[in-house]
Amino acid sequence: EDQVTQSPEALRLQEGESSSLNCSYTVSGLRGLFWYRQDPGKGPEFLFTLYSAGEEKEKERLKATLTKKESFLHITAPKPEDSATYLCAVQGAETSYDKVIFGPGTSLSVIP
Amino acid sequence: GAVVSQHPSWVICKSGTSVKIECRSLDFQATTMFWYRQFPKQSLMLMATSNEGSKATYEQGVEKDKFLINHASLTLSTLTVTSAHPEDSSFYICSAGGYGYTFGSGTRLTVV
Repeated sequence: EDQVTQSPEALRLQEGESSSLNCSYTVSGLRGLFWYRQDPGKGPEFLFTLYSAGEEKEKERLKATLTKKESFLHITAPKPEDSATYLCAVQGAETSYDKVIFGPGTSLSVIP
Repeated sequence: GAVVSQHPSWVICKSGTSVKIECRSLDFQATTMFWYRQFPKQSLMLMATSNEGSKATYEQGVEKDKFLINHASLTLSTLTVTSAHPEDSSFYICSAGGYGYTFGSGTRLTVV
């Protein structure tokens, strides 16, 4: 059964203090791994899709990397506006087309 | 980019009544849409996959007679919560698209 876990559950950073969020997954044939940002009371906002081990993608202060068992979302010099919940999701080869499994998320707070 | 519009943003209804939530893809056609439910501080749980022109596929444990899904066109899917009860109070979110799914802004349902 496909599974996704994320750590830590919550993270508090000082503004400018870089860190990484972890997403560990178990899936039969990874078709894609997704990172989303979710603000309170809003739907998730798409950040990245990673398809194969070794792949990296960047967007502003965020960088996502992927190995065969986990993905990291690196946040460099975060700002208060980066505060949100970050969700990881995977799509496995054995799931029906387009269906994804979400992890529990990491709640990030960036303190000025 | 792809935009998914979800209405209403919030709704309060009396116990025993029905509520309809709409999910529209504004600038693309979506043969498949997904409906999620999210409890406070928890991740997204897939409820059902909505397929245009055919019956929805429900996840295990989701009552299909309670959560009616209709996907009558390539741009519109609706979720109707029938005979709502307080335990149905939750945040409901739809999504559409292929890789890098686009999410609606969510609907906060409160049943009193």
